[in-house]
Amino acid sequence: AQKITQTQPGMFVQEKEAVTLDCTYDTSDPSYGLFWYKQPSSGEMIFLIYQGSYDQQNATEGRYSLNFQKARKSANLVISASQLGDSAMYFCAMREGLFQGAQKLVFGQGTRLTINP
Amino acid sequence: DSGVTQTPKHLITATGQRVTLRCSPRSGDLSVYWYQQSLDQGLQFLIQYYNGEERAKGNILERFSAQQFPDLHSELNLSSLELGDSALYFCASSRLAGDNEQFFGPGTRLTVL
Repeated sequence: AQKITQTQPGMFVQEKEAVTLDCTYDTSDPSYGLFWYKQPSSGEMIFLIYQGSYDQQNATEGRYSLNFQKARKSANLVISASQLGDSAMYFCAMREGLFQGAQKLVFGQGTRLTINP
Repeated sequence: DSGVTQTPKHLITATGQRVTLRCSPRSGDLSVYWYQQSLDQGLQFLIQYYNGEERAKGNILERFSAQQFPDLHSELNLSSLELGDSALYFCASSRLAGDNEQFFGPGTRLTVL
């Protein structure tokens, strides 16, 4: 069963607009973490933001925020004031068993974001 | 620059061959992870090592094996290569086994002809 679903294969946004990248997940584990990574055309994977299942507030990191809706099992990434350099592939990922000391990230298929000038 | 290094950057080989990919984690990081990114399978977790011991296993084929050495560098060995093994192989590291942030290396692009 697909554990992480990113339903938007591609998105096109005008520079300076805000953009929301969708991510839904499936797990029965009460302790899990959700991650977003950015992969520019150069290929490297860049960690953006993390949200733990027990965190009371939505995570924010600069222009990135994670809209965590636990009941709906969604963890959308919001990028405010988009920039040309935000054009990249974005991956949502989940890790179950937060306190087990092992990291097994499951990734979604990704969303290719293109920022137009 | 994440501080994680991977060699080689590119590797081209033939079916049936064996290759070794090398990863040096960031200074002070004890945990190393291997991922495979291919067009049809996407990004998949292969295996995690922590301070020399295997900690978690994902979708790693039996033809693949990995180890982490006392100096904490890691190697991923791929044998009896098939066309479908062509992919970008990432190594990532974190300070402890349960850390949330993993720092990814630049990847090794493997092409099997």
